[in-house]
Amino acid sequence: DTAVSQTPKYLVTQMGNDKSIKCEQNLGHDTMYWYKQDSKKFLKIMFSYNNKELIINETVPNRFSPKSPDKAHLNLHINSLELGDSAVYFCASSLDGHSMARTFGSGTRLTVV
Amino acid sequence: GNSVTQMEGPVTLSEEAFLTINCTYTATGYPSLFWYVQYPGEGLQLLLKATKADDKGSNKGFEATYRKETTSFHLEKGSVQVSDSAVYFCALMNNAGNMLTFGGGTRLMVKP
Repeated sequence: DTAVSQTPKYLVTQMGNDKSIKCEQNLGHDTMYWYKQDSKKFLKIMFSYNNKELIINETVPNRFSPKSPDKAHLNLHINSLELGDSAVYFCASSLDGHSMARTFGSGTRLTVV
Repeated sequence: GNSVTQMEGPVTLSEEAFLTINCTYTATGYPSLFWYVQYPGEGLQLLLKATKADDKGSNKGFEATYRKETTSFHLEKGSVQVSDSAVYFCALMNNAGNMLTFGGGTRLMVKP
């Protein structure tokens, strides 16, 4: 069973569209994250939610909005997509906000054309 | 702020060769250090970790020692296999334990 699953795996869309990436974890973890991996393979934290509450919100455009309906899900909505949004987005979870280990999903490759 | 620097790849080795991937960090206080591995088409997996100076993390034949005096956490393996081909990320956790900072990743390619 996949511990952290995110869908879709690949997403190709046109500029200006609105899209969502879903993430679910079945580990019973309290904290979930979204990371962006750019073309140079750098991983940058975007958001962190602990038990449905936002605890980290790095400097990302307002077009990106995370939504956590429950602590097992953290979805990423992106409005008015731009070319520069093309990247691989990783969802992750940890036992709590202080846990040292992260469990990652397999990533969603977003391509904006 | 905290930062992690690791050697750029790709690193190409023959099977059974010795591997070193350098990682240095900048951080305040006493961070914890990690190596994550990303196999093709998969997410990141924790490979090993060290939580204090002079600790050695080890797993699957890989080792890394937390060197506070040189602010380094170099990854080593005595004899690599083709199945070790992946991207390796060095990372550090801040004192509060709620922020994980990654390096840029190093691609390892092992040829038979």
